[in-house]
Amino acid sequence: SYELTQPPSVSVSPGQTATITCSGDELGEKYACWYHQRPGQSPVLVIYQDTKRPSGIPERFSGSTSGNTATLTISGTQAMDEGDYYCQAWDSSPAGVFGPGTRVTVL
Amino acid sequence: QVQLVEAGGGLVKPGGSLRLSCAASGFTFSDYFMTWVRQAPGQGLEWVSDISRTGETSNYGDSVKGRFTISRDNARNSLFLQMNRLRAEDTAIYYCARDAGGGEGYDFWGQGTLVTVSS
Repeated sequence: SYELTQPPSVSVSPGQTATITCSGDELGEKYACWYHQRPGQSPVLVIYQDTKRPSGIPERFSGSTSGNTATLTISGTQAMDEGDYYCQAWDSSPAGVFGPGTRVTVL
Repeated sequence: QVQLVEAGGGLVKPGGSLRLSCAASGFTFSDYFMTWVRQAPGQGLEWVSDISRTGETSNYGDSVKGRFTISRDNARNSLFLQMNRLRAEDTAIYYCARDAGGGEGYDFWGQGTLVTVSS
């Protein structure tokens, strides 16, 4: 089955840049999406089609890809950006696949 | 505004069945694929199943294939998940989500409904 890999945790100081990676076989040939989930809340889409931001998502969130790695960057990280971030893609079934998640802590 | 409201969760014994529903409003339901995603306590997101706009096509995750059935009623703007032969590892919050299509991701999510499988 298709798998995505993310670092378990990322720590960042307020105002600094947080970078979260997501890797998978042939991920560069698929679209990647990113979701933010705060404790006790439903996930929120923050990036779709690798690099695009839904309306209402702050400009400090950006996405990029290189080879088989997708990256979510949070510039000028704020306390409200804490939580879990999940990457997601579709395998060949097609079925959705989520990465294991990355816990972002703003110290 | 788009709203997705899940219902039907609860406590069920191993081997039992449960039917979840998701009431959609604020958009043309029949224009979108719909998806179920679950999250076990303290764990990450797990994709469960999706269904095409007309309901003709559906896909399932390996862990639920053969036990769960997704369906929809476009006249009632409703999505369903019939869960049979439930196991302890099916314990999770179940979210319904709208698939924006074309790699645009799951753009709206419900608040989730908790399913607990325990004797």
